[in-house]
Amino acid sequence: DVKVTQSSRYLVKRTGEKVFLECVQDMDHENMFWYRQDPGLGLRLIYFSYDVKMKEKGDIPEGYSVSREKKERFSLILESASTNQTSMYLCASTLTGLGYNEQFFGPGTRLTVL
Amino acid sequence: AQTVTQSQPEMSVQEAETVTLSCTYDTSESDYYLFWYKQPPSRQMILVIRQEAYKQQNATENRFSVNFQKAAKSFSLKISDSQLGDAAMYFCASGAQKLVFGQGTRLTINP
Repeated sequence: DVKVTQSSRYLVKRTGEKVFLECVQDMDHENMFWYRQDPGLGLRLIYFSYDVKMKEKGDIPEGYSVSREKKERFSLILESASTNQTSMYLCASTLTGLGYNEQFFGPGTRLTVL
Repeated sequence: AQTVTQSQPEMSVQEAETVTLSCTYDTSESDYYLFWYKQPPSRQMILVIRQEAYKQQNATENRFSVNFQKAAKSFSLKISDSQLGDAAMYFCASGAQKLVFGQGTRLTINP
């Protein structure tokens, strides 16, 4: 059974704190993604990684960074959390290949920044 | 840039009836795929159905089918014989490796 896990379901942080969101997949997928989900805006891509130590900016990378030191793990970092980063964060992974590959999602982390 | 638009923030349907969720998209890609994902309350997002843009035949998965109109850039999802377990947020998406998602439609099933 394929699995994408995220380190926390709920997280509360203070403005200015450094925040780490962790994602782990056990499917040996090359590609991993971080999305932000907000009501009325759907899912927006923050960053994605197509290999270890490789990353590319998505549509809304400002205020975020990522790290991928191992194939199975993709971390999202908020260097200095702000209240406008309060949101649901979803991680996903997929194989690399021609055409389509299904994205598998984690359960999400609901982050509140006070 | 790709865009995906879901114009129905909320929909409701009686159990056992049929409901159609709308989606329009815009892309400059010649080779792309279209997807419907389901996000049940407090549960993980899962793929419902996908359509290859180069295929004219509409995809079907059990009670779920799509109406793909390539010229109109329209990709609607039809759910037949709606069940209580179909209640969820539904997201339309376009792309291949990277996906662009719509705003979502919250579907309520009335018993």
